[in-house]
Amino acid sequence: QLQLQESGPGLVKPSETLSLICTVSGGSISTDYYYWAWIRQPPGKGLEWIGTIFYSGNTYYKSSLKSRVTISADTSKNQFSLKLTSVTAADTAVYYCARYGRALGKYAMDVWGQGTTVTVPS
Amino acid sequence: QSALTQPPSASGSAGQSVTISCTGTSSDIGDYNYVSWYQQYPGKAPKLMIFEVNKRPSGVPDRFSGSKSGNTASLTVSGLQAEDEADYYCSSYAGSNTLIFGGGTKLTVL
Repeated sequence: QLQLQESGPGLVKPSETLSLICTVSGGSISTDYYYWAWIRQPPGKGLEWIGTIFYSGNTYYKSSLKSRVTISADTSKNQFSLKLTSVTAADTAVYYCARYGRALGKYAMDVWGQGTTVTVPS
Repeated sequence: QSALTQPPSASGSAGQSVTISCTGTSSDIGDYNYVSWYQQYPGKAPKLMIFEVNKRPSGVPDRFSGSKSGNTASLTVSGLQAEDEADYYCSSYAGSNTLIFGGGTKLTVL
């Protein structure tokens, strides 16, 4: 059974870089035609798609975050990561990693991590 | 890439039906049949309830159904049960391998 687990610092100082890792177990991130995504949810607010890395290594980002976001993969560790630079209090959120692709509709996230809370003090 | 528009809240009595709308544009919902709906309980990760407008993953009760007309998608929950009380989010493909979510709707079972 595929499982995703986010990890990383729970507190990041303003102007610094937020770095998170999603570790995938029970399946390979290199499996054909799967996408691996980062989504965040500020306290009391809705979900926001941040970006995605395709199994091939291609990356796609939300336009408003593109200048600050990098998503990469380490196939040897079966992990993918998120880096968000120049953070502010507005980046405080629960960060989720998730999978979508050929399993259940091309763009439907069928497996999610439990989420990790990142706080940027104001 | 503005968020899809959902009503902040919806409610219905146990046993009744409720429909939650999700309005986008001709560049997302209106152009693709890749609308998904997610259920989220407080402090938990979202769960996929509907994909590709009206398809249900295995294990999701058939009380949950989806539809789309033009730039608006809808989630209908029939025979409301107490356990259906949660937040619901729509999502759509928006072209160029980008995705967009709605602002969420809090469903209350009276």
